[in-house]
Amino acid sequence: AQTVTQSQPEMSVQEAETVTLSCTYDTSENNYYLFWYKQPPSRQMILVIRQEAYKQQNATENRFSVNFQKAAKSFSLKISDSQLGDTAMYFCAFNNNAGNMLTFGGGTRLMVKP
Amino acid sequence: ETGVTQSPTHLIKTRGQQVTLRCSSQSGHNTVSWYQQALGQGPQFIFQYYREEENGRGNFPPRFSGLQFPNYSSELNVNALELDDSALYLCASSLWQRYGYTFGSGTRLTVV
Repeated sequence: AQTVTQSQPEMSVQEAETVTLSCTYDTSENNYYLFWYKQPPSRQMILVIRQEAYKQQNATENRFSVNFQKAAKSFSLKISDSQLGDTAMYFCAFNNNAGNMLTFGGGTRLMVKP
Repeated sequence: ETGVTQSPTHLIKTRGQQVTLRCSSQSGHNTVSWYQQALGQGPQFIFQYYREEENGRGNFPPRFSGLQFPNYSSELNVNALELDDSALYLCASSLWQRYGYTFGSGTRLTVV
């Protein structure tokens, strides 16, 4: 079974600065998909960024980028130019190759301070 | 395109009762998954439906059951409710899992 670990329960960052959220996972599979989701107080999970394990290039979406280290089973999220609207819970998630389930980490609560 | 919609948004039930939660998937999506999110935790996978057939199940007892309809909408049924069933229940739909899932805003279930 896969496991996903987020070792930072809470983090804070000043507006306009950069913050990195950590995620590690454990799997015996070679092909899989990784995601970062944002969950604001509205409760809806919003997809931030995704990475396919067979792609070595790190994914980037505007201010969001990942550092994917397959050998180390690490998948960190970097948020640049942090904005107040980035305040939310962030979840790292693993999708197996069969694609039939997401395994989530415990989440990191991010607070962006003005 | 419409997103994933769930109903009701909030629900209070008594221990031992049964509950049905509903989900309309995003237009064009043929796969629906259900997750349980306890307070302060990450979501836990309950099960997934693909073209009306169960396509994977997490570590949940049989009193958690589901359906997917021809229009790809879905229901989650929970029988014999227990206090520990109190949680946010999230529905997610997808077409290609590699592109991720679209989530609804969830149903907050409280069992008293």
